[in-house]
Amino acid sequence: AAGVIQSPRHLIKEKRETATLKCYPIPRHDTVYWYQQGPGQDPQFLISFYEKMQSDKGSIPDRFSAQQFSDYHSELNMSSLELGDSALYFCASTPRGLAGGTRASTDTQYFGPGTRLTVL
Amino acid sequence: DQQVKQNSPSLSVQEGRISILNCDYTNSMFDYFLWYKKYPAEGPTFLISISSIKDKNEDGRFTVFLNKSAKHLSLHIVPSQPGDSAVYFCAAEDSGTYKYIFGTGTRLKVLA
Repeated sequence: AAGVIQSPRHLIKEKRETATLKCYPIPRHDTVYWYQQGPGQDPQFLISFYEKMQSDKGSIPDRFSAQQFSDYHSELNMSSLELGDSALYFCASTPRGLAGGTRASTDTQYFGPGTRLTVL
Repeated sequence: DQQVKQNSPSLSVQEGRISILNCDYTNSMFDYFLWYKKYPAEGPTFLISISSIKDKNEDGRFTVFLNKSAKHLSLHIVPSQPGDSAVYFCAAEDSGTYKYIFGTGTRLKVLA
């Protein structure tokens, strides 16, 4: 079965550079979530999109921005990179957004393999 | 302020025995909980979930128990297998936005 695809898998940047992370959700999934996992930490929610609109925002720095495109893929743009941005960045997708409805197993977030960003 | 806590950073269990992973939460508004397993260099993989209207959900070797009054849930794996060795994350779903709030994870090692 198709899974969430993230690219690149690894990225090395220097301080003050920019980076773009891409996420391709599972086909027919319209909702995308971004999480950041620092070394030895739990994944922290950054931002989410439903039907190409931002649906929620978490602990995402102002230096970061994201969007969801018409084909439902999402990109996380990171500027003025800092050493502390080094982390694993996960994308997750679900087939249902904030429209609500009965909880179903298909609403579970399915995670991609992550992008490991290293800022030197 | 950690709303979802996994107080045991690691756990070692003999193959064939039961593994019990614990998770506590502070927000009584949480009503849906999940367990994810994570191998190195991979994303979290969904294992099992439970809604607050239930106190137990079982799927094969995995059973999740929820004690709402204690704000506590646990994942039981029986029998444990070496392939179960991974980091296990407990997560609670924000009922308004559906985002997940993760615990800090427990590293399970199943010894052959």
